Amino acid sequence: DAMVIQNPRYQVTQFGKPVTLSCSQTLNHNVMYWYQQKSSQAPKLLFHYYDKDFNNEADTPDNFQSRRPNTSFCFLDIRSPGLGDAAMYLCATSGDQGGSTDTQYFGPGTRLTVL
Amino acid sequence: QKEVEQDPGPLSVPEGAIVSLNCTYSNSAFQYFMWYRQYSRKGPELLMYTYSSGNKEDGRFTAQVDKSSKYISLFIRDSQPSDSATYLCAMKNSGGYQKVTFGTGTKLQVIP
Repeated sequence: DAMVIQNPRYQVTQFGKPVTLSCSQTLNHNVMYWYQQKSSQAPKLLFHYYDKDFNNEADTPDNFQSRRPNTSFCFLDIRSPGLGDAAMYLCATSGDQGGSTDTQYFGPGTRLTVL
Repeated sequence: QKEVEQDPGPLSVPEGAIVSLNCTYSNSAFQYFMWYRQYSRKGPELLMYTYSSGNKEDGRFTAQVDKSSKYISLFIRDSQPSDSATYLCAMKNSGGYQKVTFGTGTKLQVIP
């Protein structure tokens, strides 16, 4: 089945210790997104890639970086995690051909704990 | 004022009830409307995708959009315990890839 896969599902890190979350997709979608979701809150868009073009949201802290080495994979790097970065991180993908193909499909998420 | 408002709940209903979930929005440019279901500690799953005003039905689910009132609804008929989840409304201005604005979600519990 075509899908969005995130690894790991649970990640524990220490305050200030860099961490990388990964996302892969078999949908062959042009666009990949990273969201941060805290408890009882809406997903907050951090950035997205349209093909290789990186688009950062204005309020995304510099602490968050991303890489997309190819169509299928995208990584979220948190350079120096703080306690406030503990959250669920969601990867999503979408096409760009209009209609329902441009709907965002989400992975299962990675729950990050910062000690 | 938030662009999208959604009552967080929780909403508790008995099994078999008709559930009504709603969102209001302020941006009249929104044209595409979605409902996602999110189980605890999982990613959102797309339930319904609609364009402009009107109704769309899929099995036990009906999505309704009233652009004149800036109001969207999701109805669930014959609710089941497996419907217990958080329901997020989402919307965007146009087709293609565009930033999606999400509501905060309504938590639904269907009691057997």
